[in-house]
Amino acid sequence: GAGVSQSPSNKVTEKGKDVELRCDPISGHTALYWYRQSLGQGLEFLIYFQGNSAPDKSGLPSDRFSAERTGGSVSTLTIQRTQQEDSAVYLCASSPGQGLYGYTFGSGTRLTVV
Amino acid sequence: KNEVEQSPQNLTAQEGEFITINCSYSVGISALHWLQQHPGGGIVSLFMLSSGKKKHGRLIATINIQEKHSSLHITASHPRDSAVYICAAANTGNQFYFGTGTSLTVIP
Repeated sequence: GAGVSQSPSNKVTEKGKDVELRCDPISGHTALYWYRQSLGQGLEFLIYFQGNSAPDKSGLPSDRFSAERTGGSVSTLTIQRTQQEDSAVYLCASSPGQGLYGYTFGSGTRLTVV
Repeated sequence: KNEVEQSPQNLTAQEGEFITINCSYSVGISALHWLQQHPGGGIVSLFMLSSGKKKHGRLIATINIQEKHSSLHITASHPRDSAVYICAAANTGNQFYFGTGTSLTVIP
């Protein structure tokens, strides 16, 4: 597709369950970002992948959160033992270079933990 | 047509200048976000506003709900303000519509 694709668009899960969120970046984009927005809050940086470099994980809120990017393309954000405070919209973005102008955001995954 | 339009796309300013970046949107919103991305860095949320005006240091964000327009102002600009500034509109379903960004370069 032409844009950044995220799936699922909506996810409702029970507290304590694990969830996986997927991001398909634009083909050829080397940089990939994960963000989240909790209700009423600004965007929160989670993790940043750039090419084959080690990812910047400085924004991950706890060790229950992890992300990987396979083959420099698709990325999966995994949340283990979900808590209610994990409920948020999780956004993925990709860009053609190292943080360069030209990024594109996906439409997000709305996660609700009940 | 994009739901969120930003202008200008590129902006070069001399240090000390007053800078304005504009954002117009066509969707109904619950909040309007201004984001900043430094070269090589992640995106930082600067402001989230649904009415009026907010100020943080040298940054000021305003929104006119009736006109569906928001502006980001930078007073006494500095080279460290050089970044991409992004306007994002969140609708009542918390779906985001992003502007294409404004690339700002402040020259010493």
